[in-house]
This record gives sequence, C-alpha cells and structure tokens, in this order.
Amino acid sequence: AQSVTQLGSHVSVSEGALVLLRCNYSSSVPPYLFWYVQYPNQGLQLLLKYTSAATLVKGINGFEAEFKKSETSFHLTKPSAHMSDAAEYFCAVSANFGNEKLTFGTGTRLTIIP
Amino acid sequence: DARVTQTPRHKVTEMGQEVTMRCQPILGHNTVFWYRQTMMQGLELLAYFRNRAPLDDSGMPKDRFSAEMPDATLATLKIQPSEPRDSAVYFCASGLPGIRSGNTIYFGEGSWLTVV
Repeated sequence: AQSVTQLGSHVSVSEGALVLLRCNYSSSVPPYLFWYVQYPNQGLQLLLKYTSAATLVKGINGFEAEFKKSETSFHLTKPSAHMSDAAEYFCAVSANFGNEKLTFGTGTRLTIIP
Repeated sequence: DARVTQTPRHKVTEMGQEVTMRCQPILGHNTVFWYRQTMMQGLELLAYFRNRAPLDDSGMPKDRFSAEMPDATLATLKIQPSEPRDSAVYFCASGLPGIRSGNTIYFGEGSWLTVV
C-alpha cells in the first residue's frame, strides 16, 4: 500500500522567495511520485514526476523535486516564487509496476505575498 | 491538444434525483479513473477501469453509485438517488500506464455537483 503526507496545509511566501512544499511517502514497493497543481476551479495539472531515473526531477514553471529514499521524501521547490504560482499543490504516489492508481496527499495551498 | 473532457461542468440538482456525469478520455488511453474531491476528504479514488473493465471500485458507495464504460471513448458515473453529501467535484482522469508514461494520468476539468 502507498500513502503520502504533505506537511503544511497552507504555505505563504513572498514573491521572489524560495518555495518549499514538503511531501513524505510510504510505499511497500518502489514508488512513482508525482506533484500536481490545481488552480482555482480547474482540474489537476502534472508538474513533474519521479519514475526511478534521475533523483532530481525538473518540471514545468521552474519547479523541481528531489527523491530522497533515505528520508522517504519528495519535496517540491522553486527558487523564486511568482504571483502566478498561487494554487493548491498535491503530492501523489503509485506503485512502479502493476497497480497504477494514484494516492494523493491532502494538498498544500500556496499563497504568494506581493 | 489532447485532453480529458467532462460533462456537465456544473450541475445543481435536488435530493433524490439521478445524476449522470460523462467523461471522454484521451484517445488511446486505456485506463480511466474517477476521483471525488471535497474539502473534508480531499481527493478520493472512486473507481477505475482498464480496457473498459472495472479494476477497483472499492471507494465507491455501491448502493447509489455506479460507474461504467460503454465504449473506449466514454466513461459514466451515475448517482441514484443523489443526496446532499454527494456535493463535490468529480474528476475523470485517463492514462496509459507503463514504464514509458510512468503511470502519469491526465485530469479533466471536473464536474461540480451541488445537491440541494
């Protein structure tokens, strides 16, 4: 079974500051890990994914995440926040083979302070 | 630009009425998921299909919910009878799982359901 825990349901950062959204996972098999973003009144859009290749994964809109097996973490970062980054962010996990259904975290709402 | 299409986008209905939500997955995707999003429960997997066959519907209340794939281009989620606690956003997602895709799934815009 797989699960993810997102630390912090709300995160606020100033425009231009570092964005760090935390995600820890639990998985009985090697995982695939994902970050999705949801803008108001929209569906979820894939930001980036880890599929057992490079541990540092780069995604869209300047975001990246690092898979750390020893820490069971997959934190999302962006060096400089932009107003357009304000959204809800979801971490998700699936098994790396067979069962492909995604289990999502509870989400982190990111607010950007001008 | 391939995308998952969901209808209706918004629905307000009275308690006890039947609600049917439809989803057209991305052409070529063989796996379809139905998720429900609420403030209290977050994103919950209701059911999913591979090659039109249901693989897992353990997250779906069986007494009032049903999900089907009449063909490869249409998935439906039906609630009968609807109740106020069913008010939520229902997302359809599709994917083509495997090493190449990394199990990536693509979401539709959602069907926003309000039961009064």
